Amino acid sequence: EPEVTQTPSHQVTQMGQEVILRCVPISNHLYFYWYRQILGQKVEFLVSFYNNEISEKSEIFDDQFSVERPDGSNFTLKIRSTKLEDSAMYFCASSLTGAGGYTFGSGTRLTVV
Amino acid sequence: DAKTTQPPSMDCAEGRAANLPCNHSTISGNEYVYWYRQIHSQGPQYIIHGLKNNETNEMASLIITEDRKSSTLILPHATLRDTAVYYCIVRVLETSGSRLTFGEGTQLTVNP
Repeated sequence: EPEVTQTPSHQVTQMGQEVILRCVPISNHLYFYWYRQILGQKVEFLVSFYNNEISEKSEIFDDQFSVERPDGSNFTLKIRSTKLEDSAMYFCASSLTGAGGYTFGSGTRLTVV
Repeated sequence: DAKTTQPPSMDCAEGRAANLPCNHSTISGNEYVYWYRQIHSQGPQYIIHGLKNNETNEMASLIITEDRKSSTLILPHATLRDTAVYYCIVRVLETSGSRLTFGEGTQLTVNP
């Protein structure tokens, strides 16, 4: 069964450093998403991406965050200057249509120290 | 998107049907009901969705009441691997892929 692949599975970074979280969505999917989950809290929406542009973003997704689809297969989330409160599990997801179910990756655990 | 209400936890015996309820009394006519689950810090997993008709797939059945104010997800023969947090989400379908708003969900524990 097709999977969404995320790398790395765990990343530790110093506060103030830039991080890039990588995702390879399912190959024929057209819609891409990032969500995050702080330990013990709900899964939160960050951003959706379609047709090479952001289609929706949450209030969490401020100027420190950016997304990119640099080629036909990767979808990245960049955090420019990490804060302690950015420590969370980050999930990438993709879907073929805007209406169907999403396929989530297994996540990247980001720890900011 | 309409707010949903789910019980915080439920137990089920292995091999029995698990019936997970969800209230969405403020649902609008163009909002669908989606179910996802999350097994211990893994990525959420899509289960099923529907508008007003009952739906069934290889994982589960979704029963939506005629007034659409509530629904039930049925796992017909629960296994230990079905232990997870189950989320009922209501949202409008949009062509640009709108957000999923996760609540607290129901922690389902399947017991041997």
